[in-house]
Amino acid sequence: TQLLEQSPQFLSIQEGENLTVYCNSSSVFSSLQWYRQEPGEGPVLLVTVVTGGEVKKLKRLTFQFGDARKDSSLHITAAQPGDTGLYLCAGEDQGAQKLVFGQGTRLTINP
Amino acid sequence: GAGVSQSPSNKVTEKGKDVELRCDPISGHTALYWYRQRLGQGLEFLIYFQGNSAPDKSGLPSDRFSAERTGESVSTLTIQRTQQEDSAVYLCASSPSRGFGYTFGSGTRLTVV
Repeated sequence: TQLLEQSPQFLSIQEGENLTVYCNSSSVFSSLQWYRQEPGEGPVLLVTVVTGGEVKKLKRLTFQFGDARKDSSLHITAAQPGDTGLYLCAGEDQGAQKLVFGQGTRLTINP
Repeated sequence: GAGVSQSPSNKVTEKGKDVELRCDPISGHTALYWYRQRLGQGLEFLIYFQGNSAPDKSGLPSDRFSAERTGESVSTLTIQRTQQEDSAVYLCASSPSRGFGYTFGSGTRLTVV
């Protein structure tokens, strides 16, 4: 069974600070996706990374896929209260046609 | 439709009763997935449909759980003889095909009392 470990599980910081969330596995994934989920809603796709070493930027969010395609990170610059939510990483299993999700990082940005 | 629609949004049922959860995927999306999310946790895979066949149903927790899909359209997840541990949010997602991101519905919050 492929597992994705996210860290930290909980993070509470002040507005304007920077943060990094990590997603690690011992398995290789064909792609890795990041989602953000707000209470009462389903997860919403933020980005998909496919190539080892790939870096994608989405405004203040920077996503990186590890060279070996086993891990990923999400860095947020100058966090804002609107960034509050549950961030989930998900790896696409090379053999099966489904996403394996990490347990999530619950992020709270305090004004 | 514009998004993935799930119904009902909330369901409270008595232990031992059967429940049926419905998912309307985005039109044209051939892949459909069901996941379960317990309070404060990540998503647990249940079953995957490609068209109306289910190549992977490895995540169904027990034989009380079953799912079907009509063509490339509506899917229903049925839980028979519900137990308290079945209480969770059941999320449905669809995708144009493998390798694309998923579009999730808002989920059905199931509470077994």
